[in-house]
Amino acid sequence: QVQLQESGPGQVKPSETLSLTCSVSGGSISSFYGSWIRQVPGKGLEFIGYISYIGTTHPNPSLKGRVTILVDTSKNQFSLQLSSVTAADTAIYYCARRVGANWFDTWGQGILVTVSS
Amino acid sequence: FMLTQPHSVSESPGKTVTISCTGSSGYIASNYVQWYQQRPGSAPTTVIYEDNQRPSGVPDRFSGSIDRSSNSASLTISGLKTEDEADYYCQSYDSNNVVFGGGTRLTVL
Repeated sequence: QVQLQESGPGQVKPSETLSLTCSVSGGSISSFYGSWIRQVPGKGLEFIGYISYIGTTHPNPSLKGRVTILVDTSKNQFSLQLSSVTAADTAIYYCARRVGANWFDTWGQGILVTVSS
Repeated sequence: FMLTQPHSVSESPGKTVTISCTGSSGYIASNYVQWYQQRPGSAPTTVIYEDNQRPSGVPDRFSGSIDRSSNSASLTISGLKTEDEADYYCQSYDSNNVVFGGGTRLTVL
């Protein structure tokens, strides 16, 4: 059974780049699209983007230009970089497995990232 | 495009509740809809995928439907239990993006 685990800094300074990694266990990243979704505490879910094992990415158009998603098949991981962060980017960041017709069947536990100086 | 859900619904244990999800334009009519349950402090889990399919382990008290004439989807939970109290999100997509509804807080009282 595939399991996902987010890791990275819990705090990032304004204008810097947020970097997170999602480690995949119990399966191979080469068999699915790795996705990122975030949630401002107390608010709803926002799709960030996903990546295929060959590196094809599909970011949310509203975040395009700030989002970079990478995959490392040798480490069975995929990662998120979000540049020029502001307080509005403070959120719980989830990695998830995209399957079938664009839905997410497995989620990591989430990691809270706070943008603050 | 956007998906609109009621902010909150409440119902008594044992009863049936329906949560709606209305899409802008005709996207719900064209693409599958999913439903996720999120309990406080936990990641979302799928209760319905591809309009009306239940993942393994989800009880048949949960059902999904689509009304293409009104461009809306619905999640129905019958025989409500206190453990069903959670936030529920619908989700769909188009060629450019994946979109979540704003979420509905279900209170079972």
